[in-house]
Amino acid sequence: AQKVTQAQTEISVVEKEDVTLDCVYETRDTTYYLFWYKQPPSGELVFLIRRNSFDEQNEISGRYSWNFQKSTSSFNFTITASQVVDSAVYFCALSENSSNTGKLIFGQGTTLQVKP
Amino acid sequence: DGGITQSPKYLFRKEGQNVTLSCEQNLNHDAMYWYRQDPGQGLRLIYYSQIVNDFQKGDIAEGYSVSREKKESFPLTVTSAQKNPTAFYLCASSITSGVVTDTQYFGPGTRLTVL
Repeated sequence: AQKVTQAQTEISVVEKEDVTLDCVYETRDTTYYLFWYKQPPSGELVFLIRRNSFDEQNEISGRYSWNFQKSTSSFNFTITASQVVDSAVYFCALSENSSNTGKLIFGQGTTLQVKP
Repeated sequence: DGGITQSPKYLFRKEGQNVTLSCEQNLNHDAMYWYRQDPGQGLRLIYYSQIVNDFQKGDIAEGYSVSREKKESFPLTVTSAQKNPTAFYLCASSITSGVVTDTQYFGPGTRLTVL
């Protein structure tokens, strides 16, 4: 069965620290997509990254980086030199290609608090 | 500006009343989705529509209804049959939802409270 687990419910760091948010997924599909979204206090989900199951290359975008490892079914997200504006809830999500619906399966979310 | 709008931002409803949440997009996306978010939880899919005049139930469709008469609009009605409707409702859209899973983009959400 498909599932996404974000084991860290809440993380608190001091500004400029690096922080890694974990995401572990379960799927039987060979073709699937993984996403990360940010939900600031305003509530709107902001898209951060989409990665397909055939592309295991790590990705870096500014202070953000993602580590995709199929061997451990993980898609972890690291924020380098965190800032107060990074405070938000972060969701990891999975979409299985076989569903043909685009349906996203979300993890429970990790609340990140960055203190000044 | 292209994007997804949801209205109202906050909505209060008395028990036993139906209420309709609006979702409009001007991104020319074919697919639209409704999700529900409860405190401390991830989002769960209520309904989705891949094309005009067609829609499918998601994981928690009971007590909800939708319509898709226009490409840009996908309203959600929360009926009196929904036993616990207080939640945050998010609408999303994507270019398609066919063979390739496209990125879903989300609206700002509607917070519904039942009094």
